[in-house]
Amino acid sequence: KAGVTQTPRYLIKTRGQQVTLSCSPISGHRSVSWYQQTPGQGLQFLFEYFSETQRNKGNFPGRFSGRQFSNSRSEMNVSTLELGDSALYLCASSPATGFSARNEQFFGPGTRLTVL
Amino acid sequence: GQNIDQPTEMTATEGAIVQINCTYQTSGFNGLFWYQQHAGEAPTFLSYNVLDGLEEKGRFSSFLSRSKGYSYLLLKELQMKDSASYLCAVASGGYQKVTFGTGTKLQVIP
Repeated sequence: KAGVTQTPRYLIKTRGQQVTLSCSPISGHRSVSWYQQTPGQGLQFLFEYFSETQRNKGNFPGRFSGRQFSNSRSEMNVSTLELGDSALYLCASSPATGFSARNEQFFGPGTRLTVL
Repeated sequence: GQNIDQPTEMTATEGAIVQINCTYQTSGFNGLFWYQQHAGEAPTFLSYNVLDGLEEKGRFSSFLSRSKGYSYLLLKELQMKDSASYLCAVASGGYQKVTFGTGTKLQVIP
């Protein structure tokens, strides 16, 4: 079974631009979560999508948005980029089979975004 | 809100045992994960605890006390390849939102 894939792997943008990152979950997984990882803050939760609906949301400004398609693939968009947005953006998929299930997350390799 | 605390760094000797602690404060607790992350790589799943007690899996064990908001990851017979960051993460709420701690960077020395 193929793992979680993310594209692109590396991206360089300048302040003020916008960026779209893509994530393809493991086949059969309906939940996709996005995280921002920086050396100082660790893994910060952005949002989670399940069946095309945002179920959970972290404490990030509205410049960060996402969506999920009917095939469970997800995209994340950041508008009006700032220097502080430079980070590794990780996507994780989960079967999300039930309330008490062990919904472990399977992470993709991440997209390294650098904002100049 | 949620609060998860872990030590920032630890050093241990090859062949030894190390315990990495995690304390948390959360509402609607569902379960606690431990992940391993090698430098430059994505996190990988190690363990999941939903009930109190010790879960053993090979050289790795994880313990949970829900009443104390406390967990630890125990690594036995340390190997150099165990040098990595270990992330504690709590699942909470009806839709199991997962919140990660900042991680503990473990260095294994000869």
